[in-house]
Amino acid sequence: DTAVSQTPKYLVTQMGNDKSIKCEQNLGHDTMYWYKQDSKKFLKIMFSYNNKELIINETVPNRFSPKSPDKAHLNLHINSLELGDSAVYFCASSQWTDYQETQYFGPGTRLLVL
Amino acid sequence: SQQGEEDPQALSIQEGENATMNCSYKTSINNLQWYRQNSGRGLVHLILIRSNEREKHSGRLRVTLDTSKKSSSLLITASRAADTASYFCATKGRGAQKLVFGQGTRLTINP
Repeated sequence: DTAVSQTPKYLVTQMGNDKSIKCEQNLGHDTMYWYKQDSKKFLKIMFSYNNKELIINETVPNRFSPKSPDKAHLNLHINSLELGDSAVYFCASSQWTDYQETQYFGPGTRLLVL
Repeated sequence: SQQGEEDPQALSIQEGENATMNCSYKTSINNLQWYRQNSGRGLVHLILIRSNEREKHSGRLRVTLDTSKKSSSLLITASRAADTASYFCATKGRGAQKLVFGQGTRLTINP
């Protein structure tokens, strides 16, 4: 019954490694997002896909590459991990409208880079 | 930047009291939303108020919006221990494709 799910929940890895986080939503939404929440709880959007098309690409290092195989999935691949990448990464989804846009968030993936 | 700013950053009250949190933003908006985040969890949508609305209620929540002052407030009445969480406002600008979140207010309800 989970609406937006992410795997893994925790990820501890060494600097320089490559890792992926997966996200799936079963709400039938057409838009999905990746957010990064830092240690001060500041939540910043990274990417957004609408119907598998990239519509938001903030100033994120190109080590981060999102991939949307279909409307229900949005994965995030991170190359050459750095200490500063340590954060909680949230996936979210919504049904795109111009006037309203309630977003549904996953439980988060806690990434710790050592 | 349209980033919202919540005030106060932290609030601690006794159970049963009312909690008020404020949010200010910088540019014209389409709507403003409030989200709650319990410790270690994802954000949960609470309420959305459109730019042409001034007040909205949902259960013990009351949200006001003053577009002339570019500010909003969230009132939680008769607070409960379970209301302990961080509360974020998020704005969607006119023609914008994304929500911009504030830094959040950490609310602690003391039993």
